[in-house]
Amino acid sequence: GDSVTQMEGPVTLSEEAFLTINCTYTATGYPSLFWYVQYPGEGLQLLLKATKADDKGSNKGFEATYRKETTSFHLEKGSVQVSDSAVYFCALSFTGGGNKLTFGTGTQLKVEL
Amino acid sequence: NAGVTQTPKFRILKIGQSMTLQCTQDMNHNYMYWYRQDPGMGLKLIYYSVGAGITDKGEVPNGYNVSRSTTEDFPLRLELAAPSQTSVYFCASSYSRTGSQPQHFGDGTRLSIL
Repeated sequence: GDSVTQMEGPVTLSEEAFLTINCTYTATGYPSLFWYVQYPGEGLQLLLKATKADDKGSNKGFEATYRKETTSFHLEKGSVQVSDSAVYFCALSFTGGGNKLTFGTGTQLKVEL
Repeated sequence: NAGVTQTPKFRILKIGQSMTLQCTQDMNHNYMYWYRQDPGMGLKLIYYSVGAGITDKGEVPNGYNVSRSTTEDFPLRLELAAPSQTSVYFCASSYSRTGSQPQHFGDGTRLSIL
């Protein structure tokens, strides 16, 4: 079946550091790919998405590029802030069968001053 | 601008009790979902619905039931609570003819079974 693998956390960075959170997927076909963010005590929010190969999703300084050849969708940000501290989830979805999301296990990011 | 609303936010149940987790959305979304989130395990799909009167099982449906009588509401029922059902439950919705549309999540219900 389909699956998503994320790097384990927690990831601890200093403010203004460069962030990379790795995400790879296993699926038959070409899914849509998503990054969701969960702040403490809240539900998940869509951060960015990409729906086909070589698409780049971007939002709030975060970027991720859909790489079909490496089945990856790594999340990057050039300069993190304390307010970026959260749990980040990579996910995939196919059209049909309820358009269900398959999630990775999440990566906790802690940004310190 | 309510979006997806879940009630209650917190609940403690005794083993064997039953309860209903409520979920309502005001975005006229046709698709709705229930997930549970366990520490370090990501989110697992319990049940989903593609429209009023239509529901289907997800990855972990045992011990739960759902119904969808209206577009807005998608309650999740626990009939005989067990400690293994201690978790955070999230409801989500999407206007989704394709898998490229994002899901919108509620703030969750934190449930403890003691």
